[in-house]
Amino acid sequence: NAGVTQTPKFQVLKTGQSMTLQCAQDMNHNSMYWYRQDPGMGLRLIYYSASEGTTDKGEVPNGYNVSRLNKREFSLRLESAAPSQTSVYFCASIPLAGVRETQYFGPGTRLLVL
Amino acid sequence: GENVEQHPSTLSVQEGDSAVIKCTYSDSASNYFPWYKQELGKRPQLIIDIRSNVGEKKDQRIAVTLNKTAKHFSLHITETQPEDSAVYFCAAPSSGSARQLTFGSGTQLTVLP
Repeated sequence: NAGVTQTPKFQVLKTGQSMTLQCAQDMNHNSMYWYRQDPGMGLRLIYYSASEGTTDKGEVPNGYNVSRLNKREFSLRLESAAPSQTSVYFCASIPLAGVRETQYFGPGTRLLVL
Repeated sequence: GENVEQHPSTLSVQEGDSAVIKCTYSDSASNYFPWYKQELGKRPQLIIDIRSNVGEKKDQRIAVTLNKTAKHFSLHITETQPEDSAVYFCAAPSSGSARQLTFGSGTQLTVLP
C-alpha cells in the first residue's frame, strides 16, 4: 500500500515551458487536492476534486489546470510556467468529500522555473 | 474567506521544556481544527485534531485546546524531544466550503539538546 505518490520528485523548467505533475493514491479515497508550499506562506490550495469527475478552484488556481483522470489519479498542469510558480507542490487525498478527516499527503514535487 | 493566523513563526525550546503554538481564525462557523507536522524535506502529517464540540484533546505529549469565544486554538507539546523539531501547521475549514482547509503560515520548532 503506497499511499499517495507523486512524480516527478524534482523538475527544472524554463519560463514558458509546460509540464504535468502526476499524483496517484491507492487508498480508494474520493477527494484529492493540489497544494503549493512557499516559504512563510504555509500550504495554499490550488485545485481540488471532491469526487471522480468533478474539480473546483482553490485559493490560487491561476496558471494551473487539473484533470481527475479516474478515482486514483489527479494531475496538475502548468501550461506556460512562470518563475512565480517555483514552489513545492503537494498532492493530498481524503476518504470522503468533507475536510473533517485526515489529509494524506504525497512526498511532494519540487519545481524550479528559471 | 477564512483567515488563519499562526504565532510564533519560529520557536526554540530546551529539551524537556514545553512548547505552545497558537492560531486564531476568523469564521465563527468553523468546526474542525487539525494540526500537521512537517519534518525537514518530508510531507505534512496529521498529529492531532479537535472538533468544536470539545475544548481540549490530548494524545500522550501533545494536546490541543480550543476557545470558540475568542476564536483561537493552541497546540501544546510537553517534555519536548529533539525529534519534535519540525514545522507545525494549524488549519481551519475555509469559509463557505466544507471541502477546503485554510492553513496557517507555519511554526518552525527547534528543540535544543
